[in-house]
Amino acid sequence: EVQLVESGGGLVQPGGSLRLSCEASGFTFSSHEMNWVRQAPGKGLEWVSDISGIGDTVYYADSVKGRFTISRDNAKNSLYLQMNSLRAEDTAVYYCARGKYASGSSTDYWGQGTLVTVSS
Amino acid sequence: DIQMTQSPSTLSASIGDRVTITCRASQSISSWLAWYQQKPGKAPKVLIYKASSLESGVSSRFSGSGSGTEFTLAISSLQPDDFATYYCQQYDSHPRTFGQGTKVEIK
Repeated sequence: EVQLVESGGGLVQPGGSLRLSCEASGFTFSSHEMNWVRQAPGKGLEWVSDISGIGDTVYYADSVKGRFTISRDNAKNSLYLQMNSLRAEDTAVYYCARGKYASGSSTDYWGQGTLVTVSS
Repeated sequence: DIQMTQSPSTLSASIGDRVTITCRASQSISSWLAWYQQKPGKAPKVLIYKASSLESGVSSRFSGSGSGTEFTLAISSLQPDDFATYYCQQYDSHPRTFGQGTKVEIK
């Protein structure tokens, strides 16, 4: 059974940093690209970043480029999102989502999400 | 960036109704479109990928169509479990973009 479990969310002050993790199980992790998608309270879905199966290609939304870094450790079946210079508008539930293939695909499984709150 | 526009934003319907939701892309995305269902407090669930392919385990009451810039999600006979918010997403190019969502409410 495919499982994605996010962790690392919490309350952080503006300008602070946080590192999210997504632990994957039930599938060959390196064969799938992985995504981070967020949802601000009461708002729609916003794609944040994705990384190819072997980690050689990454993409970011303009809203986080230069502040967030996506990475993965295929030996540990884990996906990460390092978030620096956090702003109030980064407050959201952050979901990790599996891509169907190693790159260029839609998603098929999502985690339950982890809440990040940026506030003083 | 490719803009995705859904209509309507809210849809009121009754059990048993056939409903359709439209998603328009600001430029051609071929068939690289997915549809998601989301219920309050839950993660999105994939319904359709590649515009018309039904995700495994999803009810056949859901169907997708379209290509290029105009796409449709149809629910053939609305059931109580279908009241939710629906999103389209293009994955033709980066940044991946979502529509703003369509909330399907009970009439």
